[in-house]
This record gives sequence, structure tokens and C-alpha cells, in this order.
Amino acid sequence: DIQMTQSPSSMSVSLGDTVTITCRASQDVGIYVNWFQQKPGKSPRRMIYRATNLADGVPSRFSGSRSGSDYSLTISSLESEDVADYHCLQYDEYPPWTFGGGTKLELK
Amino acid sequence: QVTLKESGPGILQPSQTLSLTCSFSGFSLSTYGMCVGWIRQSSGKGLEWLANIWWNDDKYYNPSLKNRLTISKDTSNNQAFLKITNMDTADTATYYCARSVGFAYWGQGTLVTVSS
Repeated sequence: DIQMTQSPSSMSVSLGDTVTITCRASQDVGIYVNWFQQKPGKSPRRMIYRATNLADGVPSRFSGSRSGSDYSLTISSLESEDVADYHCLQYDEYPPWTFGGGTKLELK
Repeated sequence: QVTLKESGPGILQPSQTLSLTCSFSGFSLSTYGMCVGWIRQSSGKGLEWLANIWWNDDKYYNPSLKNRLTISKDTSNNQAFLKITNMDTADTATYYCARSVGFAYWGQGTLVTVSS
């Protein structure tokens, strides 16, 4: 099974920060990585698909990138509405579909 | 507009079988390439994929739970179903259904509590 190792598990942030969250895949997953935002009590929302593509309605301060087996989600100029949990997902090789362990953003 | 909505019993006792329904609109599970998956999340924890069903009735299960899971669909009524046998307190979670291989759209989730 492919493992997605997500880091950090939590992060203390300030408004206006540039935030980067990373998932490392245990084997090649190509472009098949999505990023999701999840706010308390809500279902996950897809933010980035196929590693680098912005989903519909997602602000342009969000971006996705890939370097080898490392996949990153970057939020430029963090706004208060961005404080949430974030999850990565690989869907290149399944079953199983595998998620990263999640990253919790908290305001300082 | 794509929507999904999960429904379930809310609470059940250990050893019982959980039956979940995902009712959806805005797409058809008879469309080539379409699939619906089930994912769960225990309180304060990460996301765990459970099962997927495809337009051609192919089914995939999480190996760690495979013997307990059954996924099915009713294409005519735009529904997908998941059954989990022998529920335990450790299965207490919010259960989600989601559309497509990359889980582009999610339902609101249904909380299932297993308690005696």
C-alpha cells in the first residue's frame, strides 16, 4: 500500500503568513494527489486536484506543487477563513485510496 | 449541481450491522467512469477510505476491513449503500460518501455512534 506521510501535523500560524504543508508518497503516485480543506463540523472540500490544479471557486492564494515524491499545498497571505485542517489523498494506485494524516492550522 | 447526502441509524449497539445510504443527484452511477466511495473519520482523527463502487459494479474494499464491508448501488434511484458487520465502539465515526475517483464532491456526513 502507498503511504502518504503528511507534515507538519499541526502548525501555529499568523494572518498574512505563507503556509506550506507537505505530503511525501512512499512510491510514485504521479500527478494523482488531491488536497482537501476541512473546517470543524464540516465535510472535506477539494482545493487542489491532480497535484497542481485549483478546484472551482478556490481562491488563487492556494496552490499545489510537486517535487519528486513530495507534494505541497501552499497558502499565500493566510486569511482567517483558511484556518482549518488539511488532508492530502493519493489516488494513483488503489485500492486502497490513502490519505495523509492531516495538518491542523491554528492561529497564534 | 452535484449533491450527496448520507443517512444512517445514528446509534447502534456493538455486534450489530451498520447500514448506510448515500443519496445523490447531479450525476449518474451508470455513467462510464463514475464511482462513489465511502470514507470515515473518527473524532479528531484523520480520514480512512472504506470502499468504492464503480459504474460497472466493480467494487473495492479497504483490506483492513474487507471481511466486514459490503458496498452496493441502486442506479435507478441514485443511491449507494454500505453495510458494515459486527460493529464495535472503535467504529464510532462520521461516515461520508464522495463522488469520483479523487473524491471531488462530498456529502455532509452522518455520525454513527456504537454504544451499549
